[in-house]
Amino acid sequence: AQSVAQPEDQVNVAEGNPLTVKCTYSVSGNPYLFWYVQYPNRGLQFLLKYITGDNLVKGSYGFEAEFNKSQTSFHLKKPSALVSDSALYFCAVRGAGNTPLVFGKGTRLSVIA
Amino acid sequence: GAVVSQHPSRVICKSGTSVKIECRSLDFQATTMFWYRQFPKQSLMLMATSNEGSKATYEQGVEKDKFLINHASLTLSTLTVTSAHPEDSSFYICSASLSVNTGELFFGEGSRLTVL
Repeated sequence: AQSVAQPEDQVNVAEGNPLTVKCTYSVSGNPYLFWYVQYPNRGLQFLLKYITGDNLVKGSYGFEAEFNKSQTSFHLKKPSALVSDSALYFCAVRGAGNTPLVFGKGTRLSVIA
Repeated sequence: GAVVSQHPSRVICKSGTSVKIECRSLDFQATTMFWYRQFPKQSLMLMATSNEGSKATYEQGVEKDKFLINHASLTLSTLTVTSAHPEDSSFYICSASLSVNTGELFFGEGSRLTVL
């Protein structure tokens, strides 16, 4: 069975500083990895994904993530945080085929001006 | 990107009544849709997989008679919470996949159900 771990409930970072939100995964076979962001009382917005190819994936709003197979990690990063990045971030994994996403518990990012 | 529309966004009902939530894929056909439930400050828990033209597949612990799912067309899946109780109050989110190969799911805006 696939699973996702987001070890941090909360990440605080000053505006303009780099941010990292951690994610590790467990899945049989090749992973399909995703990051989503959720604002209060809203659905999830897709940020980026890794299917195959380059380990460094660039996504929306300046976010990027690096797939590390040996460490089974897919950490989300951004070089310079904005206050508007404050939200709840979910890492997710799915296996091959039309299977559902399995989500991590989420990490709340707070960017302080 | 693909658009998934969910309606209603908020609903308040009395205990014992039934509530229907619609999930539509607006610009693509979705043979499979997924229904998730999110409790406050918690992650999304998969409730069921909705397959067009066949019965939904429910996750362990989800009552199929309580949460009725119908996927009558390639663009519409509905979740009906029957005989709702206060403990059914939650944020329900549907999603659909544009392509098996691309992998990502697109999510509706969610429906917040409050049962009084």
